[in-house]
Amino acid sequence: AQSVTQLGSHVSVSEGALVLLRCNYSSSVPPYLFWYVQYPNQGLQLLLKYTSAATLVKGINGFEAEFKKSETSFHLTKPSAHMSDAAEYFCAVSETGNQFYFGTGTSLTVIP
Amino acid sequence: KAGVTQTPRYLIKTRGQQVTLSCSPISGHRSVSWYQQTPGQGLQFLFEYFSETQRNKGNFPGRFSGRQFSNSRSEMNVSTLELGDSALYLCASSKNGQGGLNEQFFGPGTRLTVL
Repeated sequence: AQSVTQLGSHVSVSEGALVLLRCNYSSSVPPYLFWYVQYPNQGLQLLLKYTSAATLVKGINGFEAEFKKSETSFHLTKPSAHMSDAAEYFCAVSETGNQFYFGTGTSLTVIP
Repeated sequence: KAGVTQTPRYLIKTRGQQVTLSCSPISGHRSVSWYQQTPGQGLQFLFEYFSETQRNKGNFPGRFSGRQFSNSRSEMNVSTLELGDSALYLCASSKNGQGGLNEQFFGPGTRLTVL
């Protein structure tokens, strides 16, 4: 069965500090993994995706994530937080590519 | 290229009523998925339609149903509304839904409030 766990429903960082949002998954087969961002009153926007091509995936807005099979993790990082990064972030897993399972989300607050 | 559109954006209904939400996918996209988003629960998969057929279904009661038309537009219906159905309903489309390489594009959602 597929599932995603996002540790920390709320994360606060200072502007310019490292952003680390955690995601652990379970899957019986090599999965596809995704990070989405949601701004208030908007739908979800894809930040990056892992499709087995490379374990370190670079996305938009300076975000990246590393797939670690041994830890079943796909944590999202950004070296320096910006005020505009404040949003809700969702990790998702898919084994088939047409049914996605999302985590419960992490709300990121950036403190000036 | 126009994005995924959902109508209406906001709805207020009372318990026991039914509601129909609409989703127009990106032109050329044949797969439409529906999600329910609630605080603390994240996004929960409702169902996915591809070429007018329901291909995948989540773990929701039969009060939740959907359909897809030949132009790929999709509707979802919730009958006998309950207070717990209050949520943001998101629609996502992808080209053909085959394989994880097909990115899902999300609409802005319909905010349903059940009183």
